[in-house]
Amino acid sequence: VQLVESGGGLVQPGKSLKLSCSASGFTFSSYGMHWIRQAPGKGLDWVAYISSSSGTVYADAVKGRFTISRDNAKNTLYLQLNSLKSEDTAIYYCARFPYWGQGVMVTVSS
Amino acid sequence: DIQMTQSPPVLSASVGDRVTLSCKASQNINKNLDWYQQKHGEAPKLLIYYTNNLQTGIPSRFSGSGSGTDYTLTISSLQPEDVATYYCYQYNSGPLTFGSGTKLEIK
Repeated sequence: VQLVESGGGLVQPGKSLKLSCSASGFTFSSYGMHWIRQAPGKGLDWVAYISSSSGTVYADAVKGRFTISRDNAKNTLYLQLNSLKSEDTAIYYCARFPYWGQGVMVTVSS
Repeated sequence: DIQMTQSPPVLSASVGDRVTLSCKASQNINKNLDWYQQKHGEAPKLLIYYTNNLQTGIPSRFSGSGSGTDYTLTISSLQPEDVATYYCYQYNSGPLTFGSGTKLEIK
């Protein structure tokens, strides 16, 4: 199992960003997937989940601003981040528990 | 939402010590709890699943126990490579929630 995140970077407050997670080594379409984040020096914070049938669940802190989606043909998981705030600054990990990617940094700052 | 409280926040112990980390849930989580180890600059790694099941490849010095609201991760003989932050995580109900972590140091 390999999970590789991309799409992070520096973005201004209120702007948008789209993260991708490329999956390999397993049948992507058969598994639910998660996004988890970790602010600098802080603990782990679950963000969102998408089931194999594309049902979604979100943490209250991101509900209405973030959208999780998947493209099974491309073996890719996405996280659309809108209306970004400084408190969204974190490393974002995709995971198919117990497997995690190495994470991608998102910095929200003017 | 279920709150997960880990204690202590920081634990300093000597090589060879038996070490116990605690995780307390705000309500019964029916043993639906995993333990993760995160070393500096790395992604978390699963140690224990469903309270007391050792993940493949994890040394047998790690063990988990608990029920209801109270759970424990034990390292029977602390090794230098065990320096890390340890997180419990519940998936019983509601939003998935992690504890705030216990940072384990070597004296």
